[in-house]
This record gives sequence, C-alpha cells and structure tokens, in this order.
Amino acid sequence: LAKTTQPISMDSYEGQEVNITCSHNNIATNDYITWYQQFPSQGPRFIIQGYKTKVTNEVASLFIPADRKSSTLSLPRVSLSDTAVYYCLVGRFYNQGGKLIFGQGTELSVKP
Amino acid sequence: DGGITQSPKYLFRKEGQNVTLSCEQNLNHDAMYWYRQDPGQGLRLIYYSQIVNDFQKGDIAEGYSVSREKKESFPLTVTSAQKNPTAFYLCASTDAHQATNEKLFFGSGTQLSVL
Repeated sequence: LAKTTQPISMDSYEGQEVNITCSHNNIATNDYITWYQQFPSQGPRFIIQGYKTKVTNEVASLFIPADRKSSTLSLPRVSLSDTAVYYCLVGRFYNQGGKLIFGQGTELSVKP
Repeated sequence: DGGITQSPKYLFRKEGQNVTLSCEQNLNHDAMYWYRQDPGQGLRLIYYSQIVNDFQKGDIAEGYSVSREKKESFPLTVTSAQKNPTAFYLCASTDAHQATNEKLFFGSGTQLSVL
C-alpha cells in the first residue's frame, strides 16, 4: 500500500492560489492519485483524480511529476468556503484487494 | 437521486450495549466501506466489502462487526467490546469495475456518543 504524507495544516487568504503537496514514494505502477475534500461533520467528496502529468477540472488542478512520487493539488483563487480538510488517496481498487486507506489529510484555513 | 444514506445522524450508546449503524446505497456499487473518524484525525478503515456475502477487516476492526447480505446494504454493529466508540462514522461505496476514474462516494455520517 502506498503511504502518503501531507502537511498537517496550511493557512491562506481569500483570492490566493493554494498548492497542497502529497508525497507517495512507493506508489505502484498503475495506482491512481485521488483528492477528496471534507467539511466538518460531512463525508468527504471527490475533487480530482489523475494518473500522470496534469489534470484540470472546474474545481482544481492536479500536477503529477514524471516519477509520480508526489502530487500537488492546486486550488485557484480560494474563498472562505474552501476551508476544509483535503485528503490525498493513492491506490487502485484491485491493487489493494479493495483496501483503500486514507492519510491524515491537510487542514486548509482560508482567512478574509 | 442516487447516493448513500446513513442513519441515524446521531446515536447514543449506553454502557454494555450493542448499536447498529445503517448504510444504504442505490448506486449499484459492489464495494462498500466503513471508516471511523476521531476529532481532528483522518479516516481509519474498519471493515470493507468487495462483493455481497464477503467482507474483510480493515485496520481497526476490533469491537465491530458487519454483514453484507444485500448489495445495497452494509450495516455496522458497534459491540460492547469497543471500549471507546465515540466517533464520527462514515460509510462509502465505489464501482470497482470502472476501467477509469475510481472514486469513493461517502454518506453524510453518523455521530456516535456514549451516555
């Protein structure tokens, strides 16, 4: 199982771009890299997923270097409503026999 | 609307009592999961099920039990053997047969507290 390491917390201000990096040195060849967002007292929700290079959707961008040993979630122009915990999940269902393990997550605080 | 429904939202357990948390999904997903979250902590895997009538222990299965008799249902029982059950419990599911774009869908959680 790929172990992930993220910063415990980050602070930002409204309108700034936020980059959260996740380290996953023992990522398997065909593992996905998936990011989730969780608000207090709610279940996490999917933000973005990638395999290699760059992926962009309406919410965020995901940058993955060639060696895939890390990944960076980029949130453009954050607002107060982006204050949440962000989890990086590395793996693939059949690689782990269905066992999907989350790391500690990064608590992002956006200030006015 | 398709999704995952957890009930109840809040649950209280007395000393020595077993309680059952409900999780139902209408997404036609084969795989379902139970995670536990303590305040300020990440998600820890309790049990997971890849298919009906089969389930495996996660990292913190002691004091918990599950069943998977129907595809859409994966109830979690917190037994009296679980000495510190106060936590936020999350159920999730995924369509493991997708060739691309695996993602977990989560319920809204159940907060369990001890009286």
